[in-house]
Parts: sequence; structure tokens; C-alpha cells
Amino acid sequence: EDQVTQSPEALRLQEGESSSLNCSYTVSGLRGLFWYRQDPGKGPEFLFTLYSAGEEKEKERLKATLTKKESFLHITAPKPEDSATYLCAVQAEAGGSYIPTFGRGTSLIVHP
Amino acid sequence: DTEVTQTPKHLVMGMTNKKSLKCEQHMGHRAMYWYKQKAKKPPELMFVYSYEKLSINESVPSRFSPECPNSSLLNLHLHALQPEDSALYLCASSPTQGLNVLTFGAGSRLTVL
Repeated sequence: EDQVTQSPEALRLQEGESSSLNCSYTVSGLRGLFWYRQDPGKGPEFLFTLYSAGEEKEKERLKATLTKKESFLHITAPKPEDSATYLCAVQAEAGGSYIPTFGRGTSLIVHP
Repeated sequence: DTEVTQTPKHLVMGMTNKKSLKCEQHMGHRAMYWYKQKAKKPPELMFVYSYEKLSINESVPSRFSPECPNSSLLNLHLHALQPEDSALYLCASSPTQGLNVLTFGAGSRLTVL
């Protein structure tokens, strides 16, 4: 059973059309939730870390929020250069280790 | 230097070959990771090194052999691979093996013929 579920799997937007990506998780004892951006054939690039429900982080057109069961990545007025796969990863304590579990990602395409 | 450098970027090998993937970071990070990623799938953890010692092996087949010669270098030795091992292999590092952001390299695209 997946511990981290991202939706939608794919999202196509027109430039300027705002939307949100979802990451829901079922781990207990969440220690941190991370958002990464991955361009094709490249490694994931860190965007945000959220640690507790109610926390919000912003960077340019992106805003990440966290509740006790899910996180949202809001994209305001996206541009074509925002096209990428957005990965969510959660870290929970498991026997003293904090290895992140990644979701399958949301593939975002922004059309000009 | 805030990068993780992986070489080679592309590797094609036969099932009887022996090759190695290399990863280097100079950020003073003491935890280093190998992930495997197939197309349209999330990264899957393979190995974690913490302070140059193998900390986690996610039941990876023995045809993959990791090595951490020093705190800046991480290798993945490949031998007798199968075509299904073809994937993007990602190296990552973090300050310690804990609640830290991972810094990923660009990956090594491996094709096994």
C-alpha cells in the first residue's frame, strides 16, 4: 500500500492558469514533507520542506501547504518553464532512520 | 560547491561487462545515497552510506556493489546486469542521514543490452 499518493498523475495548463497539485500521505509520525522538481533526464531539485500542519512556504509562483493528511503545491499564473514533474517525499521515523519515501509525481505541462 | 557530480552521464553495457558509476560531492555531506529510477516512476532507494559506512541496503541484488572510498566519493560497481536494470541511477547526498534535504546529481542513464 502506497504511503504517499500524488494526484493528478498528469496536468496540462495554459500559461497563467493557476492550479494545485496534491500529495496525501498515510505515514504515522511524520517528521517532514519535501517537494522536489524534476526535469526530464535530470535529478530532482529541492523546492520546499514542511514540518508541521499549518505551515506554508512560498517561492516565486509556487506555494506549498501542509495539513495532517496532505500537502498542496499551488502554482499561480504558471509559465512554460514551470513544466516538470513535481515529486513529494515524506520522512517518518522508522527504526531510527529517516529515509524519504517518494510519491509517483505529477507531470505538469504548461502551454504558452 | 553545492553540486553532486555523477559520471558517466550515459553508459551502455552488455550483460557480461563490469562497469562502475561514480558520484562526487564537496559539500561536506556525510550521508550519500544511490537511487534507481525507471521512466515515469519515483526514485527507489538502493543504498545509504553514513560516515562512509553502509547504513541501509534495500535488498538490492548482489550484481550491484556500492563502495564509499571517502566522505566525498561514492561508487556503484555493476556486474552481470540484466536488461531490466536499465534505468536512471541517481546519487544524492545530505549533511547527515536524518531529516535533511537531499541534493541530487543529474544521474547516470544506464542501458543494459
